[in-house]
Amino acid sequence: ETGVTQSPTHLIKTRGQQVTLRCSSQSGHNTVSWYQQALGQGPQFIFQYYREEENGRGNFPPRFSGLQFPNYSSELNVNALELDDSALYLCASRPDLGPNSPLHFGNGTRLTVT
Amino acid sequence: SQQGEEDPQALSIQEGENATMNCSYKTSINNLQWYRQNSGRGLVHLILIRSNEREKHSGRLRVTLDTSKKSSSLLITASRAADTASYFCATDWRGSGNTGKLIFGQGTTLQVKP
Repeated sequence: ETGVTQSPTHLIKTRGQQVTLRCSSQSGHNTVSWYQQALGQGPQFIFQYYREEENGRGNFPPRFSGLQFPNYSSELNVNALELDDSALYLCASRPDLGPNSPLHFGNGTRLTVT
Repeated sequence: SQQGEEDPQALSIQEGENATMNCSYKTSINNLQWYRQNSGRGLVHLILIRSNEREKHSGRLRVTLDTSKKSSSLLITASRAADTASYFCATDWRGSGNTGKLIFGQGTTLQVKP
């Protein structure tokens, strides 16, 4: 049990629609990251937020955006959904920015785009 | 593209046997981490080895790191059916600053037969 919860667990959307995924981090964890995991692949880094500001981004287009709130919750928003956006989206938190701090993952949201 | 490469992609052993998984990476790192993922669920952190460490143990897990060869191995001793899962290595590369970006391999799927 990592203390990181994500909602919803599953979601089906149509191409072109917009989606918001939610995450609740462990209390005291000021850093939250989002990862996309396609079927049979390892997770890919989308972005990280620290104290409500984005401080790192992977190779994802601007239609992937996020928010982090003071109450340790966060959101991942994806606009103009494409079929290739179908994946497991994972939220992970950690206490600070230090490089030797492991990630605590939630169980993910399975997004299917049809 | 993902930096880590894992070998083998799939491994099937009998309960009680040892399982060894290997990981290679391409750039300088702060640390290398191993995560476990049960089918369709979130990742669970197993062990973190820093770039100045060569070997680390945690219970039945033994991790080695060879920075000159840019490789790591994870050994699970006396495996159990409950160890059946996918295992991922992830590198925290030095060029990432404090972005928190972990680069994951594609994983090794381990099946332990009772």
